[in-house]
Amino acid sequence: GESVGLHLPTLSVQEGDNSIINCAYSNSASDYFIWYKQESGKGPQFIIDIRSNMDKRQGQRVTVLLNKTVKHLSLQIAATQPGDSAVYFCAEKVGGSYIPTFGRGTSLIVHP
Amino acid sequence: KAGVTQTPRYLIKTRGQQVTLSCSPISGHRSVSWYQQTPGQGLQFLFEYFSETQRNKGNFPGRFSGRQFSNSRSEMNVSTLELGDSALYLCASSLVTGASMNTEAFFGQGTRLTVV
Repeated sequence: GESVGLHLPTLSVQEGDNSIINCAYSNSASDYFIWYKQESGKGPQFIIDIRSNMDKRQGQRVTVLLNKTVKHLSLQIAATQPGDSAVYFCAEKVGGSYIPTFGRGTSLIVHP
Repeated sequence: KAGVTQTPRYLIKTRGQQVTLSCSPISGHRSVSWYQQTPGQGLQFLFEYFSETQRNKGNFPGRFSGRQFSNSRSEMNVSTLELGDSALYLCASSLVTGASMNTEAFFGQGTRLTVV
C-alpha cells in the first residue's frame, strides 16, 4: 500500500471513541471544502463536503465543522471503528476554480 | 455505476524511459484530473482536462503531459523518467460544469510507478 503516512501527523484512538481530525486551510477565498479518506492501496474516497455558507454539516457518523474566521476545518467521526483507520485529507477550492488543493493528510489509527 | 478505472495498477520502469498511464472516468463525467502522490509532497495537481482540452495545469515540468479523448478517457505520459517520478499517480473524474463547479471528485485506485 501507500507510504503516505511516513510524514503525516497521526491520531490514535480506541475503538468506540469519537475522533476529531483538524485541518487548517490556506486561502480565505476558498468557498468549498471536502474531506477524503484514503485506505492503504486505494485512491481517496469522498466522505463529506461543506460550502462556505455553512458552518456545520452532518453525515452518517461524520460531522464537518467550518470556522472561516480562523480558516479551520474539522472532521468528527463518532464511535470510531477499526475500518475507519486510514489517511484523511481535507481539500479546499477557491471560488471560480475547478481544482481543489489538498492538505497533507492525517493518519488515523483505530485500536480494537 | 462503474467507478474510475486506472490501468495499469503497477509499473516498473528504468530511468530515461517513458510511460503512459490510462484513466477511464465515470460515465457522464467530462472533467478528468491527474495527481501525483508521494510521501514527501502529498497530493500534487498535475493537470485537468475537460472536453478534450487541458483546462488547468499544475507546476510540473514539460516531461509530464496528457490528453483526453472524445469519450472522456484520458492518458498521461511521462517522458525521460527520473527516479523522483516514482509515485502513485491518481486520476479523478467529476461532473463539474460551469453551472456547478463545486462537486466532489471521484478517484481511481491509482497507478503505482516505480522508476529504477
